[in-house]
Amino acid sequence: AQSVTQLGSHVSVSEGALVLLRCNYSSSVPPYLFWYVQYPNQGLQLLLKYTTGATLVKGINGFEAEFKKSETSFHLTKPSAHMSDAAEYFCAVSHSGGSNYKLTFGKGTLLTVNP
Amino acid sequence: ETGVTQSPTHLIKTRGQQVTLRCSSQSGHNTVSWYQQALGQGPQFIFQYYREEENGRGNFPPRFSGLQFPNYSSELNVNALELDDSALYLCASRRDRDVSYEQYFGPGTRLTVT
Repeated sequence: AQSVTQLGSHVSVSEGALVLLRCNYSSSVPPYLFWYVQYPNQGLQLLLKYTTGATLVKGINGFEAEFKKSETSFHLTKPSAHMSDAAEYFCAVSHSGGSNYKLTFGKGTLLTVNP
Repeated sequence: ETGVTQSPTHLIKTRGQQVTLRCSSQSGHNTVSWYQQALGQGPQFIFQYYREEENGRGNFPPRFSGLQFPNYSSELNVNALELDDSALYLCASRRDRDVSYEQYFGPGTRLTVT
């Protein structure tokens, strides 16, 4: 069984400050890991993903995340927050199982950016 | 390239009624998944359709059912609606052989059950 824990349901940062959103996962097989962003009244947009290879992955809008197997973590960072980053962020885990690629999501972290 | 579309955008139903939500997958995508996102929660996997058959299901009762059509579009049907079914319903599509494993989400249908 897979599970995702996002530490902190709400993170508040100042504009220009470092953004760090935490995600820990549980998976019995090598995981595929994703970060999605959701703006109000919209669907999910993929920020970045880790499947295999380099453990530091870069995504859109200046975000990046590092897969740390020993810590079972996949934290999302951005060096300098922008007002437009305010949104809800979801970490998700999946693994290949035949043709079934269901995503298991965390409960989300709401990011607010203060001017 | 047309993205994933869903209809309707919003829907209000009464407890006990039935509802059908629709999803058009992104061009070239043959696999469709449905997720339920309750207020303040992450999306939860309902089921996946591939080649017009359900090939994966989450922890949802049988009153949640679906269809996939030859053009890969899909429907989610919910019978005997309950108040707890109020949520945002998201559809996601992908190619079954896409090694990027990315799923493309639609904007969702907001269902309110009163």
